[in-house]
Amino acid sequence: ETGVTQTPRHLVMGMTNKKSLKCEQHLGHNAMYWYKQSAKKPLELMFVYNFKEQTENNSVPSRFSPECPNSSHLFLHLHTLQPEDSALYLCASSQGGGTGEIRNYNEQFFGPGTRLTVL
Amino acid sequence: GQNIDQPTEMTATEGAIVQINCTYQTSGFNGLFWYQQHAGEAPTFLSYNVLDGLEEKGRFSSFLSRSKGYSYLLLKELQMKDSASYLCAVRGHMDSNYQLIWGAGTKLIIKP
Repeated sequence: ETGVTQTPRHLVMGMTNKKSLKCEQHLGHNAMYWYKQSAKKPLELMFVYNFKEQTENNSVPSRFSPECPNSSHLFLHLHTLQPEDSALYLCASSQGGGTGEIRNYNEQFFGPGTRLTVL
Repeated sequence: GQNIDQPTEMTATEGAIVQINCTYQTSGFNGLFWYQQHAGEAPTFLSYNVLDGLEEKGRFSSFLSRSKGYSYLLLKELQMKDSASYLCAVRGHMDSNYQLIWGAGTKLIIKP
Protein backbone atom coordinates (compact mmCIF):
# COMPACT_ATOMS: atom_id res chain seq x y z
CA GLU A 1 0.00 0.00 0.00
CA THR A 2 1.68 3.19 -1.19
CA GLY A 3 -0.94 5.65 0.03
CA VAL A 4 -1.87 6.66 -3.51
CA THR A 5 -4.97 5.11 -5.05
CA GLN A 6 -6.23 5.28 -8.62
CA THR A 7 -9.55 4.34 -10.18
CA PRO A 8 -10.41 2.69 -12.41
CA ARG A 9 -7.56 0.21 -12.74
CA HIS A 10 -8.56 -0.68 -16.29
CA LEU A 11 -10.52 1.35 -18.84
CA VAL A 12 -11.53 0.62 -22.40
CA MET A 13 -13.08 3.49 -24.32
CA GLY A 14 -13.99 4.48 -27.84
CA MET A 15 -12.59 7.55 -29.50
CA THR A 16 -15.82 9.48 -29.02
CA ASN A 17 -16.25 8.67 -25.33
CA LYS A 18 -15.64 10.95 -22.37
CA LYS A 19 -14.20 9.43 -19.23
CA SER A 20 -12.29 10.52 -16.13
CA LEU A 21 -9.42 9.01 -14.18
CA LYS A 22 -9.29 9.63 -10.46
CA CYS A 23 -6.33 9.75 -8.10
CA GLU A 24 -6.34 10.18 -4.33
CA GLN A 25 -3.37 10.44 -1.99
CA HIS A 26 -3.50 9.85 1.75
CA LEU A 27 0.06 10.97 2.52
CA GLY A 28 -0.48 14.66 3.25
CA HIS A 29 1.55 15.68 0.21
CA ASN A 30 1.27 18.99 -1.56
CA ALA A 31 2.29 18.06 -5.09
CA MET A 32 0.51 15.65 -7.44
CA TYR A 33 1.46 14.44 -10.91
CA TRP A 34 0.06 12.67 -13.95
CA TYR A 35 2.42 10.51 -16.00
CA LYS A 36 1.94 8.46 -19.15
CA GLN A 37 3.87 5.18 -19.38
CA SER A 38 4.11 3.43 -22.75
CA ALA A 39 5.93 0.16 -23.34
CA LYS A 40 9.72 0.50 -23.45
CA LYS A 41 9.55 4.30 -23.24
CA PRO A 42 10.52 6.63 -20.39
CA LEU A 43 7.80 7.91 -18.12
CA GLU A 44 6.32 11.05 -19.68
CA LEU A 45 5.34 13.78 -17.25
CA MET A 46 2.01 15.28 -18.27
CA PHE A 47 0.91 17.64 -15.49
CA VAL A 48 2.09 18.79 -12.08
CA TYR A 49 0.01 20.47 -9.39
CA ASN A 50 1.50 22.09 -6.31
CA PHE A 51 -0.91 23.29 -3.63
CA LYS A 52 -3.72 22.87 -6.19
CA GLU A 53 -1.98 25.16 -8.70
CA GLN A 54 -0.85 23.73 -12.00
CA THR A 55 2.90 24.29 -12.28
CA GLU A 56 3.77 22.11 -15.27
CA ASN A 57 2.00 21.24 -18.49
CA ASN A 58 4.35 19.42 -20.80
CA SER A 59 2.72 20.22 -24.14
CA VAL A 60 -0.07 17.75 -23.54
CA PRO A 61 -2.89 17.68 -26.15
CA SER A 62 -6.09 19.41 -25.05
CA ARG A 63 -8.00 16.12 -25.20
CA PHE A 64 -6.42 15.53 -21.76
CA SER A 65 -7.78 17.93 -19.15
CA PRO A 66 -6.56 17.81 -15.54
CA GLU A 67 -8.44 18.96 -12.47
CA CYS A 68 -7.14 19.32 -8.92
CA PRO A 69 -9.92 20.36 -6.52
CA ASN A 70 -7.69 19.97 -3.43
CA SER A 71 -4.26 18.69 -2.46
CA SER A 72 -5.53 15.13 -2.01
CA HIS A 73 -7.44 14.60 -5.24
CA LEU A 74 -6.45 14.73 -8.88
CA PHE A 75 -8.51 13.97 -11.96
CA LEU A 76 -7.67 13.49 -15.61
CA HIS A 77 -10.62 14.08 -17.91
CA LEU A 78 -10.41 12.34 -21.26
CA HIS A 79 -12.31 13.12 -24.45
CA THR A 80 -11.96 12.23 -28.13
CA LEU A 81 -8.83 10.21 -27.48
CA GLN A 82 -6.78 8.49 -30.16
CA PRO A 83 -5.58 4.85 -30.23
CA GLU A 84 -2.01 6.07 -29.62
CA ASP A 85 -3.17 7.38 -26.24
CA SER A 86 -3.48 3.78 -25.05
CA ALA A 87 -1.00 3.44 -22.19
CA LEU A 88 -0.64 3.12 -18.43
CA TYR A 89 -1.52 6.40 -16.71
CA LEU A 90 0.22 6.84 -13.38
CA CYS A 91 -0.56 9.30 -10.67
CA ALA A 92 2.10 10.29 -8.13
CA SER A 93 2.44 12.61 -5.18
CA SER A 94 5.32 14.17 -3.29
CA GLN A 95 5.85 16.53 -0.41
CA GLY A 96 6.55 19.46 -2.72
CA GLY A 97 8.02 22.33 -0.80
CA GLY A 98 8.40 25.20 -3.22
CA THR A 99 11.31 25.95 -5.47
CA GLY A 100 15.03 26.39 -4.94
CA GLU A 101 15.22 24.33 -1.78
CA ILE A 102 15.29 20.62 -1.33
CA ARG A 103 14.36 19.84 2.25
CA ASN A 104 14.39 16.12 1.75
CA TYR A 105 14.50 13.52 -0.99
CA ASN A 106 11.11 14.71 -2.14
CA GLU A 107 10.65 11.32 -3.75
CA GLN A 108 7.46 10.64 -5.61
CA PHE A 109 5.00 7.99 -4.47
CA PHE A 110 3.08 6.34 -7.27
CA GLY A 111 -0.38 4.88 -7.54
CA PRO A 112 -0.98 1.52 -9.26
CA GLY A 113 -2.02 3.17 -12.51
CA THR A 114 -4.95 2.98 -14.91
CA ARG A 115 -4.43 0.77 -17.95
CA LEU A 116 -6.21 2.68 -20.73
CA THR A 117 -7.13 1.15 -24.07
CA VAL A 118 -8.59 3.39 -26.77
CA LEU A 119 -10.39 1.54 -29.55
CA GLY B 1 18.88 17.81 -25.18
CA GLN B 2 18.39 15.92 -21.95
CA ASN B 3 18.84 12.20 -21.93
CA ILE B 4 19.00 9.21 -19.60
CA ASP B 5 20.48 5.93 -20.87
CA GLN B 6 20.22 2.53 -19.26
CA PRO B 7 20.32 -0.99 -20.69
CA THR B 8 16.99 -2.34 -21.89
CA GLU B 9 17.30 -5.77 -20.33
CA MET B 10 19.65 -7.77 -18.12
CA THR B 11 19.67 -11.35 -16.90
CA ALA B 12 21.25 -12.62 -13.68
CA THR B 13 21.22 -15.72 -11.51
CA GLU B 14 19.57 -16.11 -8.14
CA GLY B 15 22.09 -15.48 -5.35
CA ALA B 16 24.45 -13.51 -7.59
CA ILE B 17 25.24 -9.79 -7.87
CA VAL B 18 24.13 -7.49 -10.69
CA GLN B 19 25.01 -3.89 -11.53
CA ILE B 20 22.59 -1.74 -13.53
CA ASN B 21 24.19 1.32 -15.07
CA CYS B 22 22.64 4.70 -15.83
CA THR B 23 24.25 7.60 -17.67
CA TYR B 24 22.69 11.01 -17.97
CA GLN B 25 23.10 14.28 -19.82
CA THR B 26 21.01 17.03 -18.29
CA SER B 27 21.15 20.81 -18.21
CA GLY B 28 21.47 20.73 -14.42
CA PHE B 29 21.70 18.18 -11.64
CA ASN B 30 19.89 18.11 -8.33
CA GLY B 31 19.67 14.43 -7.44
CA LEU B 32 19.29 10.99 -8.99
CA PHE B 33 16.64 8.44 -8.07
CA TRP B 34 16.28 4.71 -8.59
CA TYR B 35 12.84 3.13 -8.62
CA GLN B 36 11.73 -0.49 -8.87
CA GLN B 37 8.64 -1.43 -10.87
CA HIS B 38 7.18 -4.93 -10.91
CA ALA B 39 5.06 -5.80 -13.93
CA GLY B 40 1.60 -4.28 -13.62
CA GLU B 41 2.46 -2.40 -10.43
CA ALA B 42 3.44 1.11 -9.37
CA PRO B 43 7.09 2.22 -9.34
CA THR B 44 8.45 2.25 -5.78
CA PHE B 45 11.34 4.38 -4.53
CA LEU B 46 14.63 2.56 -3.90
CA SER B 47 17.38 5.13 -3.49
CA TYR B 48 18.49 8.73 -3.88
CA ASN B 49 21.97 10.14 -4.56
CA VAL B 50 22.87 13.81 -4.70
CA LEU B 51 26.55 13.66 -3.68
CA ASP B 52 29.27 11.50 -5.21
CA GLY B 53 29.77 8.11 -3.66
CA LEU B 54 27.98 5.01 -2.58
CA GLU B 55 24.71 4.81 -0.65
CA GLU B 56 23.99 1.39 0.84
CA LYS B 57 20.60 0.11 1.85
CA GLY B 58 20.55 -3.55 2.72
CA ARG B 59 21.00 -5.67 -0.40
CA PHE B 60 20.77 -2.60 -2.64
CA SER B 61 23.44 0.07 -3.13
CA SER B 62 23.52 3.06 -5.46
CA PHE B 63 26.58 4.93 -6.67
CA LEU B 64 26.90 8.38 -8.22
CA SER B 65 29.67 10.19 -10.10
CA ARG B 66 28.47 13.68 -11.04
CA SER B 67 31.60 14.48 -13.06
CA LYS B 68 30.97 11.44 -15.26
CA GLY B 69 27.19 11.76 -15.37
CA TYR B 70 27.01 8.17 -14.19
CA SER B 71 25.20 6.09 -11.62
CA TYR B 72 24.73 2.41 -10.95
CA LEU B 73 22.40 0.32 -8.86
CA LEU B 74 23.99 -2.75 -7.30
CA LEU B 75 21.81 -5.62 -6.21
CA LYS B 76 23.39 -8.35 -4.06
CA GLU B 77 22.19 -11.84 -3.09
CA LEU B 78 19.62 -11.73 -5.85
CA GLN B 79 16.21 -13.20 -5.15
CA MET B 80 13.52 -14.21 -7.61
CA LYS B 81 11.35 -11.34 -6.36
CA ASP B 82 13.99 -8.89 -7.65
CA SER B 83 12.77 -9.62 -11.19
CA ALA B 84 11.39 -6.20 -12.14
CA SER B 85 12.16 -3.08 -14.13
CA TYR B 86 14.57 -0.59 -12.57
CA LEU B 87 14.05 3.06 -13.47
CA CYS B 88 16.71 5.75 -13.23
CA ALA B 89 15.52 9.37 -12.95
CA VAL B 90 17.35 12.67 -12.60
CA ARG B 91 16.08 15.90 -11.10
CA GLY B 92 17.67 18.24 -13.57
CA HIS B 93 16.84 21.80 -12.51
CA MET B 94 17.70 23.63 -9.32
CA ASP B 95 14.55 25.70 -9.64
CA SER B 96 12.19 22.78 -9.83
CA ASN B 97 11.46 20.22 -7.19
CA TYR B 98 9.08 18.46 -9.52
CA GLN B 99 10.50 17.72 -12.93
CA LEU B 100 12.24 14.35 -13.14
CA ILE B 101 13.86 13.13 -16.34
CA TRP B 102 13.32 9.39 -16.63
CA GLY B 103 15.17 6.57 -18.32
CA ALA B 104 13.19 3.90 -20.15
CA GLY B 105 14.01 1.35 -17.45
CA THR B 106 16.07 -1.83 -17.29
CA LYS B 107 14.13 -5.08 -17.17
CA LEU B 108 15.97 -7.45 -14.86
CA ILE B 109 15.29 -11.17 -15.25
CA ILE B 110 16.43 -13.45 -12.44
CA LYS B 111 16.98 -17.11 -13.29
CA PRO B 112 17.15 -19.94 -10.75
